[in-house]
Amino acid sequence: NAGVMQNPRHLVRRRGQEARLRCSPMKGHSHVYWYRQLPEEGLKFMVYLQKENIIDESGMPKERFSAEFPKEGPSILRIQQVVRGDSAAYFCASLPAGEETQYFGPGTRLLVL
Amino acid sequence: GNSVTQMEGPVTLSEEAFLTINCTYTATGYPSLFWYVQYPGEGLQLLLKATKADDKGSNKGFEATYRKETTSFHLEKGSVQVSDSAVYFCALRNSGNTPLVFGKGTRLSVIA
Repeated sequence: NAGVMQNPRHLVRRRGQEARLRCSPMKGHSHVYWYRQLPEEGLKFMVYLQKENIIDESGMPKERFSAEFPKEGPSILRIQQVVRGDSAAYFCASLPAGEETQYFGPGTRLLVL
Repeated sequence: GNSVTQMEGPVTLSEEAFLTINCTYTATGYPSLFWYVQYPGEGLQLLLKATKADDKGSNKGFEATYRKETTSFHLEKGSVQVSDSAVYFCALRNSGNTPLVFGKGTRLSVIA
């Protein structure tokens, strides 16, 4: 069973461009969380999704950020019109329904120039 | 609200030294507690967890005990190795599908 996969691992964008981050959960996992890690900081929750539903987006900025987890395919975190402050590592974690332990992907490190 | 406080790093130890990384928490209800480890350039890996008071989580020589009376979950290892060099995160999660709440992380460097 492959682990949680994220791509790209590194992404460089110029200010104003769009960033798309992908997360493929482990097989059988229907829940996905996205977290952001700023330099020298812990991870902060952004959004929690189940298949085709956003359950909790309380940690996600209201503007420029969106997330989806379609019935087929990976979960996508989309950042429009990126700014330098969006530079961070973005991690997704997945888990199956009814379980507690979250399994993390390797992260996408976004650098905005 | 919920929060996790862990000791500031970096922590530098010689090989075979004893390790303690302090972690205290504030939470409503009875959270589950976790230690995650992040090796350079990688994602987080679950190291150990405890789901109720007085539980002890252990893995790879690391252990931590859920202390409700002191709201603590300190990480310990009797003899560290160079390969233990990483960033260690303490985290909590309340019941249901709530997200993890992390401390800021403690960087450990073990020198030979």
